[in-house]
Amino acid sequence: KQEVTQIPAALSVPEGENLVLNCSFTDSAIYNLQWFRQDPGKGLTSLLLIQSSQREQTSGRLNASLDKSSGRSTLYIAASQPGDSATYLCAVTSNDYKLSFGAGTTVTVRA
Amino acid sequence: EPEVTQTPSHQVTQMGQEVILRCVPISNHLYFYWYRQILGQKVEFLVSFYNNEISEKSEIFDDQFSVERPDGSNFTLKIRSTKLEDSAMYFCASRALGTYEQYFGPGTRLTVT
Repeated sequence: KQEVTQIPAALSVPEGENLVLNCSFTDSAIYNLQWFRQDPGKGLTSLLLIQSSQREQTSGRLNASLDKSSGRSTLYIAASQPGDSATYLCAVTSNDYKLSFGAGTTVTVRA
Repeated sequence: EPEVTQTPSHQVTQMGQEVILRCVPISNHLYFYWYRQILGQKVEFLVSFYNNEISEKSEIFDDQFSVERPDGSNFTLKIRSTKLEDSAMYFCASRALGTYEQYFGPGTRLTVT
């Protein structure tokens, strides 16, 4: 069974600092890895999807890397802003096509 | 851009009542999913559906739950007799044939009192 772990569980940084969020998964037989953003009480906003054959994916200030063999992904958010405050979820699509989610990292960016 | 929609956005029901959560997947997608997220917990897989039948279900998806595609556009999740512990956010997702990315709806918050 795929297990996804996110470290740290919570992170508080001053505005302008870069954010580094970590995700690890136990079974490297994945199709892709996805990072989502979730605001309190709200739905899931897809940020980046990395195919299993890719090493990284970038969108604006966001960059995600994937090391499939070691079961790790890192999401970097450059020059954080208070609007980046949210919970960030990592999820992997395993070869049974199900998404397995981590518990998330809750980010607070202080103005 | 096509998107998955879900109704209602919030449903309040009494314990023991039946609820039906509705989803309209992206029109050319063939694979459909339900996930749930209990407050403060991980998003969990419930069930996958393809070609008018369940492909896979989790241990959470017991006899109280059922899914249906009643017409060409809707995909529903029914909970027959709700319990307090069914209170959660329920997400619908869909996927196109030959791809692996699932697209999520905005969720339905179910509150059982």
